[in-house]
Amino acid sequence: SQQGEEDPQALSIQEGENATMNCSYKTSINNLQWYRQNSGRGLVHLILIRSNEREKHSGRLRVTLDTSKKSSSLLITASRAADTASYFCATDASGYSTLTFGKGTMLLVSP
Amino acid sequence: DGGITQSPKYLFRKEGQNVTLSCEQNLNHDAMYWYRQDPGQGLRLIYYSQIVNDFQKGDIAEGYSVSREKKESFPLTVTSAQKNPTAFYLCASSTRGAGGWNEQFFGPGTRLTVL
Repeated sequence: SQQGEEDPQALSIQEGENATMNCSYKTSINNLQWYRQNSGRGLVHLILIRSNEREKHSGRLRVTLDTSKKSSSLLITASRAADTASYFCATDASGYSTLTFGKGTMLLVSP
Repeated sequence: DGGITQSPKYLFRKEGQNVTLSCEQNLNHDAMYWYRQDPGQGLRLIYYSQIVNDFQKGDIAEGYSVSREKKESFPLTVTSAQKNPTAFYLCASSTRGAGGWNEQFFGPGTRLTVL
């Protein structure tokens, strides 16, 4: 079964707007990671946030983690058409390096 | 796609045939992974290896086999026992840091189609 569930399943916005995606998970985790996948390509790592961290930033990306609610959010500010992709959260619950992925949020940014 | 290569990019197989997908990394990473992705779905773990000559089953290992004879290489064989092998296959690698395991780096994937 999949640990993480992203919400919404799909999101359509205009360039310049902010995009927020959420991820909920079921068990305790060591870390949570966000990845981006362009159509038919491999995944690209965006941010890793450990269980003792609450917020991380990377460029236009902001990730929050609330372990009490077992949820995380990914915020992309000032979206660009090039941000169009699927975004996945993945949790490392075991400490053995394996990740469990959600089904992803498909983001469409229109010019 | 980092320092991970997968080949071939597209692969066609007849029913009943075994096929092997290649995955090579030059990142000096200890751990390597194989995932399967079906349309509109997330990734599911097939096998993983954290050290040479050792590997573990993931969530959907049935019908697949792997080997890890070299640190750089982690080939995946899709056997005829895999009932529905048509999918996009992704290989990844990672390394361990002071705070635990780090992020995974992914290859470009192999799209397997069974005819």
